[in-house]
Amino acid sequence: EIVMTQSPATLSVSPGERATLSCRASQSVSSNLAWHQQKPGQPPRLLIYGASTRATGIPARFSGSGSGTEFTLTISSLQSEDFAIYYCQQYNPWPSNTFGQGTKLEI
Amino acid sequence: EVQLVQSGAEVKKPGESLKISCKGSGYSFTNFWIGWVRQMPGKGLEWMGVIYPGDSDTRYNPSLQGQVTISADKSISTAYLQWSSLKASDTAMYYCVRRFSALQYFVGDYWGQGTLVTVSS
Repeated sequence: EIVMTQSPATLSVSPGERATLSCRASQSVSSNLAWHQQKPGQPPRLLIYGASTRATGIPARFSGSGSGTEFTLTISSLQSEDFAIYYCQQYNPWPSNTFGQGTKLEI
Repeated sequence: EVQLVQSGAEVKKPGESLKISCKGSGYSFTNFWIGWVRQMPGKGLEWMGVIYPGDSDTRYNPSLQGQVTISADKSISTAYLQWSSLKASDTAMYYCVRRFSALQYFVGDYWGQGTLVTVSS
C-alpha cells in the first residue's frame, strides 16, 4: 500500500499570509495526486487534481505542485474561509488509492 | 445540478444489521462510479469500496473486505452500504462520492452530505 504522509499536522497562519502544505508518497504516484478541503460538519471538496490542476470553481489562490513522491499545496493569501483540514490523495488502479492523514490549517 | 443525498443518521446496537443509502440525481447514475468513504470520529478519510451502478462491478478496500457489502439499484439511482453485524468500531461518518469522469482513476468530485452511524450498547 502506498502511504501518504502530510506535514505539518497543524499549521498556524494569519489571514493574508501564504500557507504551504506538504504531502509525501512512500513510492512514486507520478502526478496522480489530488487535494481536498474539509470544513467542520461538511464533506470534503475537491480542490486540485493531477497534482496542479484546479477543479471547477476553485479560486486561483490555491495552487498545487510536485510529481513523483513530493507534493505541495500553496494558498497564496489566506482568507477566513480557507481555515479547514486539507487532505492529499493518491489515485492509481484500485485498490491503490489512499488519503493522507490531513493537515489542519488554523488561524 | 448533480446531487448525492444520503439517508439519515442511525443509532444501532452491536450485532444489529444496517443498510444506508445514497441517491444520485442530476446526472446519468448508471455511468459513474460511486465510492464509499469512512471517517471515524476526529480521524481522516478511508475508502470502503466502489461500485459501478451500470453493471454492479464492485471493488472493496482489501483491509475492510468482508466487513461490509456495497450494492446499487440503478432503477432508483441509489447506492447502498450495508453491515450484517455492527461493531462499536463501525461508529463513523460515511460519505458516498461520485467519481470524477475526467480522470482514469477514482477521485471524487461530488460528495453526499454524510450519514453518521453510531453503534453503542
